[in-house]
Amino acid sequence: EVQLVQSGAEVKKPGEFLKISCQGSGYNFPNYWIAWVRQAPGKGLEWMGIMFPANSETRYSPSFQGQVTMSADKSINTAYLQWSSLKASDTAMYYCARRVTSGDLGGEFDYWGQGTLVTVSS
Amino acid sequence: QSAPTQPASVSGSPGQSITISCTGTSSTFGPYNYVSWYQQHPGTAPKLIIYDVSNRPSGVSDRFSGSKSGNTASLTISGLQAEDEADYYCSSYTGRSPLWVFGGGTKLTVL
Repeated sequence: EVQLVQSGAEVKKPGEFLKISCQGSGYNFPNYWIAWVRQAPGKGLEWMGIMFPANSETRYSPSFQGQVTMSADKSINTAYLQWSSLKASDTAMYYCARRVTSGDLGGEFDYWGQGTLVTVSS
Repeated sequence: QSAPTQPASVSGSPGQSITISCTGTSSTFGPYNYVSWYQQHPGTAPKLIIYDVSNRPSGVSDRFSGSKSGNTASLTISGLQAEDEADYYCSSYTGRSPLWVFGGGTKLTVL
């Protein structure tokens, strides 16, 4: 069974560092792109970017480029999303999702993690 | 790259059919048919219900169907059931940066 299990909720202060995780199981984790999606409280989904764990190739949305860093440790089937200096506006639920496609382009997100709630408040 | 536009809300009675539109531009959808739809119940992660415009993943009810004409994709839910009450998001692969975009979401209320 394919599963993506994310790390637990975090409460941080503005300016702090944070790294959250997403561990995959039940499939060949390194060979599937993992996307990160933000959902601010009461708002819609925002696509942040995507990375390929096998070689750490990453594509960021311009809205998040320079604001977050995506990484992975394929030896433990885990993807990460990190902030070097959090802002209150980073308060949101963050989801990881597996991208699946029949070719080289496109695709959709067929399995999702349960989400990690990040709260940034002084 | 702006997000596709969805109606904020739609409603219908049990047994009825509803359609949710997802309107973009030529740059939203590109020359591709990589439009997908996600269902999200409160407090849960999104669930893929339609991919490649009109395909259903295994296990998704055939009451859900998708289509696309020009720069508008649509999700139709037939035979509405109480359990269909949720938020629905369209998504498209753009082929440029950002590679994917989500619509603003539509809240479906089953009356």
